Amino acid sequence: AQSVSQHNHHVILSEAASLELGCNYSYGGTVNLFWYVQYPGQHLQLLLKYFSGDPLVKGIKGFEAEFIKSKFSFNLRKPSVQWSDTAEYFCAVTAIYNQGGKLIFGQGTELSVKP
Amino acid sequence: ETGVTQSPTHLIKTRGQQVTLRCSSQSGHNTVSWYQQALGQGPQFIFQYYREEENGRGNFPPRFSGLQFPNYSSELNVNALELDDSALYLCASSDSKGQTYEQYFGPGTRLTVT
Repeated sequence: AQSVSQHNHHVILSEAASLELGCNYSYGGTVNLFWYVQYPGQHLQLLLKYFSGDPLVKGIKGFEAEFIKSKFSFNLRKPSVQWSDTAEYFCAVTAIYNQGGKLIFGQGTELSVKP
Repeated sequence: ETGVTQSPTHLIKTRGQQVTLRCSSQSGHNTVSWYQQALGQGPQFIFQYYREEENGRGNFPPRFSGLQFPNYSSELNVNALELDDSALYLCASSDSKGQTYEQYFGPGTRLTVT
């Protein structure tokens, strides 16, 4: 069965620190990959997505992610976090040939950035 | 462009009751997916509707059912509510069957079952 695993449940960083959130997925076929963010009191928003092509994708607010097919990974990075990045981050995958095109989410990583 | 909207925002129901949650898709989108997000967990796929027909279902019992209307809005119905149904219910819309396109999420409906 397809699954998504996020390595860290809660990450605490100081402002200006670098961020890397791990994400691994389990699926043998072609996948589309996403990172969503949920700011406190707000709805899920798309940070970035990978469909094909350059495995290094850039998203909003200075975030980027690298797709490494051999490692089934799609880690999220940001060189310098800000207090406003405090939120919950979800990695998700959808299989291109999966009936219904459902998103499979990881359990989420809560990021707390200290000012 | 109007985003995805959901109603109501919050709802409290008693075990055994039935509930209907509503979702209006983003303008131009013909596909609606529903997800359940329990506290501290990632969203879990319930089902998807494409042009008024169910187009995929997750591991949820038949008491979870849905509808999509000609204007692509959608309802999620849950019968015989159980305590474990307490969660945030998210609706997401997209402009295809959702296989390769991003899904846009609404703010969710917080359901509490007592």
